[in-house]
Amino acid sequence: QKEVEQDPGPLSVPEGAIVSLNCTYSNSAFQYFMWYRQYSRKGPELLMYTYSSGNKEDGRFTAQVDKSSKYISLFIRDSQPSDSATYLCAGESGGSYIPTFGRGTSLIVHP
Amino acid sequence: GAGVSQSPSNKVTEKGKDVELRCDPISGHTALYWYRQSLGQGLEFLIYFQGNSAPDKSGLPSDRFSAERTGGSVSTLTIQRTQQEDSAVYLCASSLAAAAEKLFFGSGTQLSVL
Repeated sequence: QKEVEQDPGPLSVPEGAIVSLNCTYSNSAFQYFMWYRQYSRKGPELLMYTYSSGNKEDGRFTAQVDKSSKYISLFIRDSQPSDSATYLCAGESGGSYIPTFGRGTSLIVHP
Repeated sequence: GAGVSQSPSNKVTEKGKDVELRCDPISGHTALYWYRQSLGQGLEFLIYFQGNSAPDKSGLPSDRFSAERTGGSVSTLTIQRTQQEDSAVYLCASSLAAAAEKLFFGSGTQLSVL
């Protein structure tokens, strides 16, 4: 079992939809949780990170962490075709300095 | 430079040859990471540098893989006697010390072993 599990998709939604992307993890030591977005033939870019449990909002994006269930979510409101990309979640213990990534979920937002 | 720079962007090689992949991190970033991304497999950790030393090289898949970092800046990942299963995108990332939640990635080197 991988430390971070993520459904690879693809997830296809119409423009304007609310998107929910999810991950589960097994390492109880994770303290930091990150979401990266990766466009085709590009490196991942950091979208958001959170520390411990709770919510964090940035524009159309909301990250949510529930440490009790080891569940990480990213919500995208008013999705746009430019949001079409692969979204990778990651966790890090705060002491290892090495993030562990999920496989990524491919998102397609069609006009 | 403004971002993490990797070269070459594409490398095609024959099985058994050695290859060197280069990473130039963001100026001032003391931490540097190498990951490998295969189709549908996500990012696989290879090695982590803090300055010129590598506290964690546990992800290197075999002794054919090695990496070094000089001057606290540029890093080179070397793969000796390449095999077809080495074909992947090799990604480099850098961050400020103790800021592993904020990695900045390069665009990667696509390695194809024929």
